[in-house]
Amino acid sequence: GAVVSQHPSRVICKSGTSVKIECRSLDFQATTMFWYRQFPKQSLMLMATSNEGSKATYEQGVEKDKFLINHASLTLSTLTVTSAHPEDSSFYICSAPPGQGRHTQYFGPGTRLTVL
Amino acid sequence: DAKTTQPNSMESNEEEPVHLPCNHSTISGTDYIHWYRQLPSQGPEYVIHGLTSNVNNRMASLAIAEDRKSSTLILHRATLRDAAVYYCILRPHGSGNTGKLIFGQGTTLQVKP
Repeated sequence: GAVVSQHPSRVICKSGTSVKIECRSLDFQATTMFWYRQFPKQSLMLMATSNEGSKATYEQGVEKDKFLINHASLTLSTLTVTSAHPEDSSFYICSAPPGQGRHTQYFGPGTRLTVL
Repeated sequence: DAKTTQPNSMESNEEEPVHLPCNHSTISGTDYIHWYRQLPSQGPEYVIHGLTSNVNNRMASLAIAEDRKSSTLILHRATLRDAAVYYCILRPHGSGNTGKLIFGQGTTLQVKP
């Protein structure tokens, strides 16, 4: 079936640095992808919708300049956490919506970000 | 988006059936009922979905109340690998479908050997 991959699977960085997370759809094209954040013991929180060829749409309360999203092709969306701080440490998950007429949404395996 | 309510946690014994309830009293006529589950340190995975009729697939069964205000995910024989957080999510069909999935708190299922 369809697969969404993420890279890296885990990353540790120093406070103040920027981290890029890639989300790829492996055998299908995705004009839209979603980015979620999940803190320990909590549910997934939708951060933004990534749109191929146009600007991302951010959910209320999510800083656009902090979480830069680029959807450069039909198979790749990237999330860059800029000037990361320890409170940005979280599990970041991307997903691609189902194709027209379908219902299954595909999720990446997640990226564990730890900011020291 | 219509809201769902699930118990925070449930326990089951291995090899026994598990019934995971979900209340969605504000469901609209165009909302599909979706279930996803998330194993530890992984992304969520699709389990099953339905609109009005009960549904079966290789992973589970979905029983939908006649008034659609509640549903139950049924795992027929729980295994240790079924220990996960199970999310019940309503998803609009048609023009109201933005593709977004909004997650509630879900039910953490613990399976005891």
